[in-house]
Amino acid sequence: ILNVEQSPQSLHVQEGDSTNFTCSFPSSNFYALHWYRWETAKSPEALFVMTLNGDEKKKGRISATLNTKEGYSYLYIKGSQPEDSATYLCAKGTNDYKLSFGAGTTVTVRA
Amino acid sequence: SAVISQKPSRDICQRGTSLTIQCQVDSQVTMMFWYRQQPGQSLTLIATANQGSEATYESGFVIDKFPISRPNLTFSTLTVSNMSPEDSSIYLCSVSSAYTGELFFGEGSRLTVL
Repeated sequence: ILNVEQSPQSLHVQEGDSTNFTCSFPSSNFYALHWYRWETAKSPEALFVMTLNGDEKKKGRISATLNTKEGYSYLYIKGSQPEDSATYLCAKGTNDYKLSFGAGTTVTVRA
Repeated sequence: SAVISQKPSRDICQRGTSLTIQCQVDSQVTMMFWYRQQPGQSLTLIATANQGSEATYESGFVIDKFPISRPNLTFSTLTVSNMSPEDSSIYLCSVSSAYTGELFFGEGSRLTVL
């Protein structure tokens, strides 16, 4: 993998259902993996910054895991709610403070 | 955390014109970052704006097209010069936390070039 890739590009979830999606990244020169949530007409907001292989982080109903050796991270949303509708961006950080972003996964939660 | 105010929030511009985007941060920061998201694409770093020195541009971005000012530690501007429809994008300014490395973003400037 040469670039940060996110899949799927979009998904629709029924309210109350759980879902997850993937961020894949080059495992070389890894410093950190970021997740951001970007709601329409708002600023992107950081969810997690993970640095260690095997890291798991949780914020409310949202959690993330990290595998730096194989170069992937999963974001999980448990019991999706309409307010979870947003585009979720992941970004790989290298030691020069720069972030390389994926194109995002757009989640739409249907009531 | 940091609160970032960005303006304009959106604009419709004519081909060949230039537009300046302003970014104000509520605290002093060393580096400010300018990103662009073209439709369907990833957020891409344009340049890093350093106070007291010239901005550092990423591959594919040049100062003549995207001149940046950084007059003090809380303010920066990005100008999109001689615009074409390909410049239609969301432009975001951001700063990073010295502790966590996470980015704080402005709300973005959505430019449409006709």
